Amino acid sequence: AQKITQTQPGMFVQEKEAVTLDCTYDTSDPSYGLFWYKQPSSGEMIFLIYQGSYDQQNATEGRYSLNFQKARKSANLVISASQLGDSAMYFCAMREGWGNTGKLIFGQGTTLQVKP
Amino acid sequence: DAGVTQSPTHLIKTRGQQVTLRCSPKSGHDTVSWYQQALGQGPQFIFQYYEEEERQRGNFPDRFSGHQFPNYSSELNVNALLLGDSALYLCASSLNLAGHPDTQYFGPGTRLTVL
Repeated sequence: AQKITQTQPGMFVQEKEAVTLDCTYDTSDPSYGLFWYKQPSSGEMIFLIYQGSYDQQNATEGRYSLNFQKARKSANLVISASQLGDSAMYFCAMREGWGNTGKLIFGQGTTLQVKP
Repeated sequence: DAGVTQSPTHLIKTRGQQVTLRCSPKSGHDTVSWYQQALGQGPQFIFQYYEEEERQRGNFPDRFSGHQFPNYSSELNVNALLLGDSALYLCASSLNLAGHPDTQYFGPGTRLTVL
């Protein structure tokens, strides 16, 4: 079974509008971390935002926010006021267990294109 | 503050050859993880090094091996290269500290092509 599922292979958004990228996850571990990364065509994976399974509030980092719905096992990324530079591949990832215990499990990614 | 660096940027090898990829972690980080990313896919975890030892390993054959040095930098070695080893190899570093977020920060990657 897929541990991380991103159901949107590609998304379009108009510049200055908000967009939501979907991510669902599957784990039986009560302690886990959820991450979003951005990968431009250059290839480098850029960290955007983190949400811990015990965090009470949704994480926010500038224009990025994570809509964390624990009961539904979803961790959607919301990008507000989209910019042309936001065009990239976006990956949702999960680390099971608490602390620095190792591997990130990635989804298949969503390609976002921002239209002027 | 130097980020994660990787070398070389690109590499072309032929089947059966051996390759070594290098990674220097972000300043202050002590843990290095390696990932393989095939075209159009999400990265797959290869292994993680901490205190110069392999701490966790993904589903990769023994042809993939690594090393971590006392200065926390790391190497990924792949022997007997196969066409299917062609991919972007990403190195990520993090800090192993209780109560500290374990966010992994990635380098720019090494693109390996096996002919």
